[in-house]
Formats: sequence, structure tokens, C-alpha cells
Amino acid sequence: GAVVSQHPSRVICKSGTSVKIECRSLDFQATTMFWYRQFPKQSLMLMATSNEGSKATYEQGVEKDKFLINHASLTLSTLTVTSAHPEDSSFYICSASRQGVDTQYFGPGTRLTVL
Amino acid sequence: KQEVTQIPAALSVPEGENLVLNCSFTDSAIYNLQWFRQDPGKGLTSLLLIQSSQREQTSGRLNASLDKSSGRSTLYIAASQPGDSATYLCAASNQAGTALIFGKGTTLSVSS
Repeated sequence: GAVVSQHPSRVICKSGTSVKIECRSLDFQATTMFWYRQFPKQSLMLMATSNEGSKATYEQGVEKDKFLINHASLTLSTLTVTSAHPEDSSFYICSASRQGVDTQYFGPGTRLTVL
Repeated sequence: KQEVTQIPAALSVPEGENLVLNCSFTDSAIYNLQWFRQDPGKGLTSLLLIQSSQREQTSGRLNASLDKSSGRSTLYIAASQPGDSATYLCAASNQAGTALIFGKGTTLSVSS
């Protein structure tokens, strides 16, 4: 149990386009989902926290108008990278947690490459 | 602000050796600490979670310890195998239900 999926696993896009990444909790209701970003040889850095039905909370330095997060249901959160640029190329990983459970369940990640 | 550091950044050992990976954190008021494994280009696999009230957790050949007073955690891997080769990440949570703060990881290579 407690499986989190991400789609797509890899995406290559041209500079200036927008890319949507989905994060789904397959067998549980995720009250909170987190979006992380990992650059090569670096640690995972939290981008934003999203709670179902409310606006996401962004970390300092993360542009909320560039990285749009929607958490419309208890099983789905989406991250849209708008007007992507090469410096946005990274590994994006989501995690989900459920009320009363300490463990966070991580998705397999999405590799974004912006040409 | 919580910061997590992992030493060493990389480690190479021969098969069969016992080894210790180190993690330190700056704020001892942690809620829990987790160890993850990450294979190249892949997501995270949770290995062990230690609550702040616990001193250690064990799973198979893995043993993780937590010393809040010194701000340290260690991951002990017994009888290492080539399949253990991966990057090991340590992450701290300061409150229930909040995001994890990750170290940069230790990349382990076990040679046969």
C-alpha cells in the first residue's frame, strides 16, 4: 500500500513552453503533498507544500507564478512549470502524506529537460 | 533553520565490509529522521524512520541510530553487497506532517 505515482517520468520540451507534472496517491488519500526539486549532485530542495483545496505554500525563492501547483483532490496534485527555461531542467519529485501517519511516500520523480 | 549534512559525500568499499554513513543536523528539536536510498535517475526508497523518542531502528542488515543531543544519526550497513550501491539520503522533519529537510547524500559503491 501507499503508492505514489508521477506522470510523465521524463519530458523534454522547448524553451518557453509549459509542462504539467501529475502526482497521484494511488491507494490512499493524501491530505498534504510536497513538491521537491533535485539538481545534479545536489540534495532534494522543497519547492512548495500543498494541502487539498487550499493554495500552495511556496518556499522562499520559488516563484509561485512560474511553478503553478493545484491540489484539487485528495489523490492528485499537479505542478505546472510555465514558460520553462533551460535552468528549470531538473528532477522533480513529489511526496504525499496522510493524516496521522508520519511517513511520507515519494513518487518516482519526473526528469524535465528544457532545450 | 534546520540544516542536514552528510559525510562522506562518496564511499567505496569491497563486498562484505561493514560500513557507517554519517548524518548531522543543526536543530536537535527534530520530530523524526529518515534514511532513504536513491538509485541513479530514480525516486526515493524509504529505508528506516526514527522517531525523536527512539534511539535506533533496524531492518535486516541496516541499523540507524539517532542521538538528538549531539545532532547525529548513523546508518550502519552490515556485510555490504554490490546491490547496496546507491546514494543514501538522510532527512529530518521538524514537525509532524511537514516537509523533509535533506542532506546531499552519500554515494556508496560496493565492489565485488
